Amino acid sequence: GAVVSQHPSWVICKSGTSVKIECRSLDFQATTMFWYRQFPKQSLMLMATSNEGSKATYEQGVEKDKFLINHASLTLSTLTVTSAHPEDSSFYICSARDVVVNTGELFFGEGSRLTVL
Amino acid sequence: GNSVTQMEGPVTLSEEAFLTINCTYTATGYPSLFWYVQYPGEGLQLLLKATKADDKGSNKGFEATYRKETTSFHLEKGSVQVSDSAVYFCALRDAAAGNKLTFGGGTRVLVKP
Repeated sequence: GAVVSQHPSWVICKSGTSVKIECRSLDFQATTMFWYRQFPKQSLMLMATSNEGSKATYEQGVEKDKFLINHASLTLSTLTVTSAHPEDSSFYICSARDVVVNTGELFFGEGSRLTVL
Repeated sequence: GNSVTQMEGPVTLSEEAFLTINCTYTATGYPSLFWYVQYPGEGLQLLLKATKADDKGSNKGFEATYRKETTSFHLEKGSVQVSDSAVYFCALRDAAAGNKLTFGGGTRVLVKP
C-alpha cells in the first residue's frame, strides 16, 4: 500500500525554539495532506488541511501563526511549531490521499512526538 | 457536531479469545464508518469500512456492521492472535461536515500468548 513517512519521529526542544516536522508521501502524489494532533489517551484532533500550492485551511481554535504549514510539492508537507512551549508537547500525525489512485482512503504517517522542555 | 465514542482500554485478553470493541457515533448526516489500527511504531492503517446502513466491513478476521438504528459500529474478531495487539480507532466521515474524519479515542488491545 501507499506509504506516508514523517520525520523526525521524535524531537525534544527547548521552550521558545521552533520545530519543523516533515510529512512525505513516498510512492504517490498528494494534493491534500492533513495534520492531526493526539494527546495522551485521547483521540486524533484535526488541526489543518494542507493544500499543495496554496494556503492551509485551519480548524477552529488552531493558531495558524503558531502552527505554520507549507505544502510546496505533491509529496511534501511541513508543519512548523513556532516558539514552542511545553503545552505544545504532543503527538503529531499527518495523513494523505493518493490523488491519482483516488479510492478515498487516507494513508497515515507513523507520527512525530514533540516534547518541549 | 459529529462525535465517536469507543470503549476505553486497555483490553487484555488471551490468544484465541473473542474480541469486541464497542463504538457508537453521532452525526448530522449519513456518515461512512471506519476502523483504523495502529501497530506499535507504525502509522494508522485502514482496517475496514462500511459506507451505508447494514453494510458489514471485514478484513483479517475482523468484522463490523453499520447499525443505523443503534448508531453503532462494533468491531469483533472471533479468535485473536498476539499480532493483533495494537490500538484500534473507530472513525466516521460525514459529507455534511466537509468529509473530515472524526476519530474516537482509541482502544489499546493487548493479546497475551
